[in-house]
Amino acid sequence: GAVVSQHPSRVICKSGTSVKIECRSLDFQATTMFWYRQFPKQSLMLMATSNEGSKATYEQGVEKDKFLINHASLTLSTLTVTSAHPEDSSFYICSARVSLNGYGYTFGSGTRLTVV
Amino acid sequence: KQEVTQIPAALSVPEGENLVLNCSFTDSAIYNLQWFRQDPGKGLTSLLLIQSSQREQTSGRLNASLDKSSGRSTLYIAASQPGDSATYLCAVTQGGSEKLVFGKGTKLTVNP
Repeated sequence: GAVVSQHPSRVICKSGTSVKIECRSLDFQATTMFWYRQFPKQSLMLMATSNEGSKATYEQGVEKDKFLINHASLTLSTLTVTSAHPEDSSFYICSARVSLNGYGYTFGSGTRLTVV
Repeated sequence: KQEVTQIPAALSVPEGENLVLNCSFTDSAIYNLQWFRQDPGKGLTSLLLIQSSQREQTSGRLNASLDKSSGRSTLYIAASQPGDSATYLCAVTQGGSEKLVFGKGTKLTVNP
């Protein structure tokens, strides 16, 4: 149980275009989801906390207009990278906290974004 | 500010060896601690979750301990296998916060 499904797993886009990444909680409701970014050989960096029905909370230094987060339902959160540039190329992962398993976290499988 | 440190950064062992990965954290006021594994290019897989009131958790060949007062956790892997090769991440949830604070991970290589 407690599965988070993330799509797409890989995406290549042209510079200047926008890309949407979806995370769905399959067997539980996630009022809060977390979005991370991971650079090669580094640990995860929290970008923002997504709250169902309200605005996301962004970490310091993360551009909210570039990384649009929408959490319209209890099972779906999306991250849209707008006007993508090569420096946005990275590995993006979402996660949710699951009350049923002692408030541990479950993660999506990640999205490798390459901007060319 | 909570800081999580993992030692060693990398570890290479022969198949069959028992090994210990270390994690330390600076603020003992944690809600729980979780160990994850990450394979290259993949998301994180939860291995073990230890609540702040617990001392250890076990799953198969894995055993994680927690000493909250000293700010330490260990992940013990018994009879290591090449399939255990991955990066292992330790993360804590601070009391009163939903945010995970990660260590930088230990990259484990188990050689056949």
